[in-house]
Amino acid sequence: AQTVTQSQPEMSVQEAETVTLSCTYDTSESDYYLFWYKQPPSRQMILVIRQEAYKQQNATENRFSVNFQKAAKSFSLKISDSQLGDAAMYFCAYGLYQGGSEKLVFGKGTKLTVNP
Amino acid sequence: DVKVTQSSRYLVKRTGEKVFLECVQDMDHENMFWYRQDPGLGLRLIYFSYDVKMKEKGDIPEGYSVSREKKERFSLILESASTNQTSMYLCASSTGGTGSDTQYFGPGTRLTVL
Repeated sequence: AQTVTQSQPEMSVQEAETVTLSCTYDTSESDYYLFWYKQPPSRQMILVIRQEAYKQQNATENRFSVNFQKAAKSFSLKISDSQLGDAAMYFCAYGLYQGGSEKLVFGKGTKLTVNP
Repeated sequence: DVKVTQSSRYLVKRTGEKVFLECVQDMDHENMFWYRQDPGLGLRLIYFSYDVKMKEKGDIPEGYSVSREKKERFSLILESASTNQTSMYLCASSTGGTGSDTQYFGPGTRLTVL
């Protein structure tokens, strides 16, 4: 079974600094997808960034980038120039399409605090 | 923009009651999902549906059932609510089919069972 581990329950960062959130996963599949979702306090969960496992190039979305290490099964999220609005729960997720069904497996989340 | 709505933000029910949680999406998505979110446990999949009247069990289906009579609507049913079902329930939808699709989430329903 696929599992996703986020080893940092909480992280904090100073405004304008850079922070990296860790995620590791376990799978025997070779073709899959990885996601980072953000859940601000009392607001809806939204997608931050997505990575296809067959692509070696790390995905980037503005201030958000990933470090995808397929052999190590590691998928960390780097937030540059942190802003107060980045404060949220961040969930790493593994996506698999198998047997005609699509499934996401989530980690337990990392709570990010941004200090002014 | 994709919009996923859930019928209630907060709900308080009593043990043994039958509870319906409704979810509606407006983007003609094939797939719809129900998750349960608990502190320290992340999101766990309860049920999902990849077509009208089709459903599949997720990781924690016990005590729950679902209904999808129309493409845009996916209901989660607690046949006899229990206190251990007190939780945040999130609905999501996606275009479906490849495992790469973004899931779009609703605002969540915080259910308290007394």
